[in-house]
Amino acid sequence: GAGVSQSPRYKVAKRGQDVALRCDPISGHVSLFWYQQALGQGPEFLTYFQNEAQLDKSGLPSDRFFAERPEGSVSTLKIQRTQQEDSAVYLCASSLTGTSGGNEQFFGPGTRLTVL
Amino acid sequence: AQSVAQPEDQVNVAEGNPLTVKCTYSVSGNPYLFWYVQYPNRGLQFLLKYITGDNLVKGSYGFEAEFNKSQTSFHLKKPSALVSDSALYFCAVRDGNTGGFKTIFGAGTRLFVKA
Repeated sequence: GAGVSQSPRYKVAKRGQDVALRCDPISGHVSLFWYQQALGQGPEFLTYFQNEAQLDKSGLPSDRFFAERPEGSVSTLKIQRTQQEDSAVYLCASSLTGTSGGNEQFFGPGTRLTVL
Repeated sequence: AQSVAQPEDQVNVAEGNPLTVKCTYSVSGNPYLFWYVQYPNRGLQFLLKYITGDNLVKGSYGFEAEFNKSQTSFHLKKPSALVSDSALYFCAVRDGNTGGFKTIFGAGTRLFVKA
């Protein structure tokens, strides 16, 4: 079956531009996560959705970052007025249920964002 | 607050030898522990997890890990390494008591298996 997909795979933005990153989770997966992975580091939690509800956005680094999942499936991470420090790989992951924190996550290939 | 430490940036092992990739964690409640692997140009893949029960858990590709509560460790092991095991390995933890889903990852350990 299809895994988690993300688009675009690569994005180059000029400083100050807005960007939108898309995630298509595995069909039927309730939970959706966004992570930011800087070069040489592990993924850092940004936000978590259970269906369309954003239950945790404690990892979003600033109010320039905004995520949504309006119909409980596809999610978009938007970054406004991009800065050079936003350059990273943005990972999306989904997991089957929203009732157990013990479920493993299935990761997409990531979007590599470069801000010039 | 949750945290994960992977004390080794890199582990080198000869093919056929046993391998260990170390992980220690800190959570206030019961830990949910995970290992993921990242191959070049591929997304992170789940290897194994500890939620409750037997301290020794077995996962994909012959890997296993042992949960040690007193040492707050969850080291990844394999009895006989393969060249194809060369990849980047991440340990992750979630606090099972809070009911939240925030997952903290370590910085990763790069495993090199030499033929």
